[in-house]
Amino acid sequence: AQSVAQPEDQVNVAEGNPLTVKCTYSVSGNPYLFWYVQYPNRGLQFLLKYITGDNLVKGSYGFEAEFNKSQTSFHLKKPSALVSDSALYFCAVRDGRNSGNTPLVFGKGTRLSVIA
Amino acid sequence: EPEVTQTPSHQVTQMGQEVILRCVPISNHLYFYWYRQILGQKVEFLVSFYNNEISEKSEIFDDQFSVERPDGSNFTLKIRSTKLEDSAMYFCASSEQGAKNQPQHFGDGTRLSIL
Repeated sequence: AQSVAQPEDQVNVAEGNPLTVKCTYSVSGNPYLFWYVQYPNRGLQFLLKYITGDNLVKGSYGFEAEFNKSQTSFHLKKPSALVSDSALYFCAVRDGRNSGNTPLVFGKGTRLSVIA
Repeated sequence: EPEVTQTPSHQVTQMGQEVILRCVPISNHLYFYWYRQILGQKVEFLVSFYNNEISEKSEIFDDQFSVERPDGSNFTLKIRSTKLEDSAMYFCASSEQGAKNQPQHFGDGTRLSIL
């Protein structure tokens, strides 16, 4: 069965510094990987995805993520953090089965706090 | 940008009562999902729905749960006899196609509180 691990409950970073939110996964077949962000009292907002191709994926709001097959990781990154990036970040995976609408499996989330 | 909308934003219900959570997916989307998030825990899959039938469901989605697409726009989740442990945020999601590379778009959720 597929699973996602986000080893950090909380990440604190100073505004303007680079940030990394870690994610590792376990899945049968080829992984389809996603990052979502959740602001207070809001739903999950899609940031970016990795399907195939370049290991560095660029997404919304200046975020990017690096797929590393050997380490089964998909860490979220941003070169320069903003206070407005403070939110809850979820990594998710869909497995490699052929059916079209397989569910997302989420990590437990990492709370990012960017300090001015 | 089109959004998934959910109503109500907060539902308070007595234990044992039935509750219906409503969702309007993005209009050209064909695949629909319900997830829940118990306070402080991860987002968990409940059920997926396509072509007027359930595609997949988790072990959470027992006989007390049902889903329906009663018309061309709404997608509902019904809990027949609510329990205290059903208290959670319930998120509806939809995707344009069911392909694995398509992101699911989420609503803002309904906070369900069982008393």
